[in-house]
Amino acid sequence: DGGITQSPKYLFRKEGQNVTLSCEQNLNHDAMYWYRQDPGQGLRLIYYSQIVNDFQKGDIAEGYSVSREKKESFPLTVTSAQKNPTAFYLCASSMAGAFYGYTFGSGTRLTVV
Amino acid sequence: EDQVTQSPEALRLQEGESSSLNCSYTVSGLRGLFWYRQDPGKGPEFLFTLYSAGEEKEKERLKATLTKKESFLHITAPKPEDSATYLCAVPPYGNKLVFGAGTILRVKS
Repeated sequence: DGGITQSPKYLFRKEGQNVTLSCEQNLNHDAMYWYRQDPGQGLRLIYYSQIVNDFQKGDIAEGYSVSREKKESFPLTVTSAQKNPTAFYLCASSMAGAFYGYTFGSGTRLTVV
Repeated sequence: EDQVTQSPEALRLQEGESSSLNCSYTVSGLRGLFWYRQDPGKGPEFLFTLYSAGEEKEKERLKATLTKKESFLHITAPKPEDSATYLCAVPPYGNKLVFGAGTILRVKS
């Protein structure tokens, strides 16, 4: 079955540590997105990519980095520069054009310890 | 600035008690509106897309409607399994969706 796989489901980060969240899709979608979800704030866009080897900053890109070396993969690195990384991270993909809507992964919950 | 506002923030219903959730938006040139359902600890699941004012779509106990300024998600005779957070989103420009903060629905038996 086609879909989006995020891993790990839970991730713990120590202060000053970089961590990478994985996102893989087999839907043959061109566009991929990373959102952060905090209680009461809805989903906020971190980064998005419409084609391989190209990506754009979203509304809250500071302290995060991404790469898009393959159409199927869009990993997100949470760097030590992100001062409040504890959140639920969601990866999504869509056909070209957001008016087709997104398919979401199951999310990664990141906690700073 | 493009904004999506959902109300109420939370809604508690008794099983069988029908109600509506609201999603209002301020975007220049609506190109569609999306409703998603999200269960705790999971990713949002697609429910409906509405593209033009006057359009309606139904799925089981849910019906979504769209006007030029807002959308409603009507829930008829809800059951406890309808408990979830309901999100709406619009694509104001480019290839991105802007989401509302969601309505947390709890249905008690």
